Amino acid sequence: GAGVSQSPRYKVAKRGQDVALRCDPISGHVSLFWYQQALGQGPEFLTYFQNEAQLDKSGLPSDRFFAERPEGSVSTLKIQRTQQEDSAVYLCASSWDRGETQYFGPGTRLLVL
Amino acid sequence: AQKITQTQPGMFVQEKEAVTLDCTYDTSDQSYGLFWYKQPSSGEMIFLIYQGSYDEQNATEGRYSLNFQKARKSANLVISASQLGDSAMYFCAMREGNYGGATNKLIFGTGTLLAVQP
Repeated sequence: GAGVSQSPRYKVAKRGQDVALRCDPISGHVSLFWYQQALGQGPEFLTYFQNEAQLDKSGLPSDRFFAERPEGSVSTLKIQRTQQEDSAVYLCASSWDRGETQYFGPGTRLLVL
Repeated sequence: AQKITQTQPGMFVQEKEAVTLDCTYDTSDQSYGLFWYKQPSSGEMIFLIYQGSYDEQNATEGRYSLNFQKARKSANLVISASQLGDSAMYFCAMREGNYGGATNKLIFGTGTLLAVQP
């Protein structure tokens, strides 16, 4: 079956612009995670969904970051008023249940100018 | 706090030889999971191998094996018979225990860049 897909793959934004990043998890996967990967670093946790419920958003760096998964499948990570420090790769991962192996998408590379 | 340490920023290995990538971890949990992921230049994180903290045998998946030494809190990845396509960034990650309320998020190390030479 299809893996995790993310769109767009690349996004260039002007500082102050709002962006929306989409994640399509593997069909049937209940758990969905967002991670942020800065250049030369390992991914860092942003937020977690179990079905449509956002159970952990402790990693979101500011209130400019917002994520949703309204029907328990596709998720969107929105960043308002982007700043240069938001430039990173945003990775989405899904697992069939909490605690199981997470499978990652190809990521969205965001560059804020 | 949980932490993953990868002390090798980069490694070279000759094609067909074996290579060990180091990973040490720190946690006070009794139940946890350890993972290795491969990230080629395309950017996707590819799952390689998993070891549970209660697993008595070292995990193996094809040419990948995990040398799990619980007392030393190390979880080194061994790649046998290296291939040119193994050139990539490798990340060690830990998942917190699967107890009630836990998010089970992954905590990653800083990675090791492996270059396989012909």
